[in-house]
Amino acid sequence: NAGVTQTPKFRILKIGQSMTLQCTQDMNHNYMYWYRQDPGMGLKLIYYSVGAGITDKGEVPNGYNVSRSTTEDFPLRLELAAPSQTSVYFCASVSHQKETQYFGPGTRLLVL
Amino acid sequence: SQKIEQNSEALNIQEGKTATLTCNYTNYSPAYLQWYRQDPGRGPVFLLLIRENEKEKRKERLKVTFDTTLKQSLFHITASQPADSATYLCALDGSGGYNKLIFGAGTRLAVHP
Repeated sequence: NAGVTQTPKFRILKIGQSMTLQCTQDMNHNYMYWYRQDPGMGLKLIYYSVGAGITDKGEVPNGYNVSRSTTEDFPLRLELAAPSQTSVYFCASVSHQKETQYFGPGTRLLVL
Repeated sequence: SQKIEQNSEALNIQEGKTATLTCNYTNYSPAYLQWYRQDPGRGPVFLLLIRENEKEKRKERLKVTFDTTLKQSLFHITASQPADSATYLCALDGSGGYNKLIFGAGTRLAVHP
């Protein structure tokens, strides 16, 4: 199993541009999450999904959108990039029968 | 709101000694608490989970305690090695279910030979 994979690893965006961060898991997990991690701060939950077609907001959803059309994929969309969205983004998944989360390697995003 | 605090300063210890990291929380009574390890440029990796009705959990050289009265968890690494150098994150189950986690900022551990 590859676990949780994320693409791209690194991206530079200009203010106002849009992009999609990809996340895929091959463990057949029901629950998936997007976090952002800023220097010296804990991971903050952006959005989460409990199954295909079901998503909900986390602690810091403004400026982001998600979709979950399949169990495996949970892309995160930035529509109008702002410097405040410069961060490292992590995707995670967990089986609904367990509590421990499996994280991807992260996407480092720089908005200039 | 729920708040988690971990020592923001790095912990420097000598190889072979026991490292002890602290996680304090307020305004919440979590059903469980987790510890993750994060290496630079990598995603967090799960280490241990301890539930509210458990006082202590062990895994090899790792030990976690959970004091719901003090609202505190201690994470111990015995016989520490330079390979244990990393940032350690404490996480609590968030309100609303669905295994959502609230993370502390983490404590950086440096084990010196």
